[in-house]
Amino acid sequence: EPEVTQTPSHQVTQMGQEVILRCVPISNHLYFYWYRQILGQKVEFLVSFYNNEISEKSEIFDDQFSVERPDGSNFTLKIRSTKLEDSAMYFCASRLQGIDTEAFFGQGTRLTVV
Amino acid sequence: GEDVEQSLFLSVREGDSSVINCTYTDSSSTYLYWYKQEPGAGLQLLTYIFSNMDMKQDQRLTVLLNKKDKHLSLRIADTQTGDSAIYFCAEGGKLIFGQGTELSVKP
Repeated sequence: EPEVTQTPSHQVTQMGQEVILRCVPISNHLYFYWYRQILGQKVEFLVSFYNNEISEKSEIFDDQFSVERPDGSNFTLKIRSTKLEDSAMYFCASRLQGIDTEAFFGQGTRLTVV
Repeated sequence: GEDVEQSLFLSVREGDSSVINCTYTDSSSTYLYWYKQEPGAGLQLLTYIFSNMDMKQDQRLTVLLNKKDKHLSLRIADTQTGDSAIYFCAEGGKLIFGQGTELSVKP
């Protein structure tokens, strides 16, 4: 069964460093998403991406964040200068089409900022 | 803005039914979803319901939707220890999640 894969599974980084979280969505999917889940809290929408551009983003997704689909395969989330409060589980998801199709989630990347 | 609320914990005995409740705010949501998250794992779609339906049954799962009250519930019949997990309800195209309900099933 096709799946969304995320790497790495766990990333530890120093405060102020840049991190790139990687996702490989399901190959024929068109819509891509990033979510984060701070430990013990709800899963929060960060950004949606379609047709090589951001279609929607939340208040959390400020100038420190960016997304890219550099090669038609990977979908990356970059955090430019990490803060302690960026520590969370980050989930990538993809959908074949729009809102009436299932969103498939990756296993997540646990980001720890020290 | 959009918001989804769930109770945080539910404990049941094996073989009982579990009912997990959710309220949401965005009345324009076309679909509402239930996801399951096991420890250390990603989010697995369990089921979803289209907004013009009142009920959907899928094996042991029954979803009830009350659009007037913006209330969604997930009933798991004959709950098993393997059903222990966190259950999230979510609404909308971009998926606004609730806090998750931790279901604990005792043998």
